[in-house]
Amino acid sequence: GAVVSQHPSRVICKSGTSVKIECRSLDFQATTMFWYRQFPKQSLMLMATSNEGSKATYEQGVEKDKFLINHASLTLSTLTVTSAHPEDSSFYICSASPGRTGNTEAFFGQGTRLTVV
Amino acid sequence: AQKVTQAQTEISVVEKEDVTLDCVYETRDTTYYLFWYKQPPSGELVFLIRRNSFDEQNEISGRYSWNFQKSTSSFNFTITASQVVDSAVYFCALGFSGSARQLTFGSGTQLTVLP
Repeated sequence: GAVVSQHPSRVICKSGTSVKIECRSLDFQATTMFWYRQFPKQSLMLMATSNEGSKATYEQGVEKDKFLINHASLTLSTLTVTSAHPEDSSFYICSASPGRTGNTEAFFGQGTRLTVV
Repeated sequence: AQKVTQAQTEISVVEKEDVTLDCVYETRDTTYYLFWYKQPPSGELVFLIRRNSFDEQNEISGRYSWNFQKSTSSFNFTITASQVVDSAVYFCALGFSGSARQLTFGSGTQLTVLP
């Protein structure tokens, strides 16, 4: 149980285009999903928290207009990198949590490696 | 403020050696959650352990063991008789503001096990 699927696993896009990354909870309903970003050889940094049916909460320094998050259903959250540039190239990974209480942990997807050329 | 420090950036050992990865954390929460994850070159995060702040019992799982000491705010991870397949980046993480869902990660330790 507690499987989170992220798609695509790898994507290469041209500078200026937008790319959408999907995060799905396969066997549970995820009231909350989290998006992290990892630059090469660095740690994971939380970008935003998305709650089903409401606007995402972005961490300081994350451009909400560049990284659009939609959590329209209890099993799917999407991250759209708009007008991507080479500096957006990174590893993006989501996590999903089945509960609303603090002691409910989140489960990670496989990650998406984005390369902007 | 929350912080997780993994002072060891890279560690290299020869197969069958024991190795300990250090993790020191800072939090003002009285209830908190600590995690260890393994990240192989493919990138996915492999969950290893979760520990609650009110449970200081050490844990052993096969070749893996964890030493949680609240007095020193440390949560160290030991691999006994290391194997080449253990080569990966290991992250220690702390649940944000008493949550187990939203995590603050350490900078990671790259472990290389040589044959």
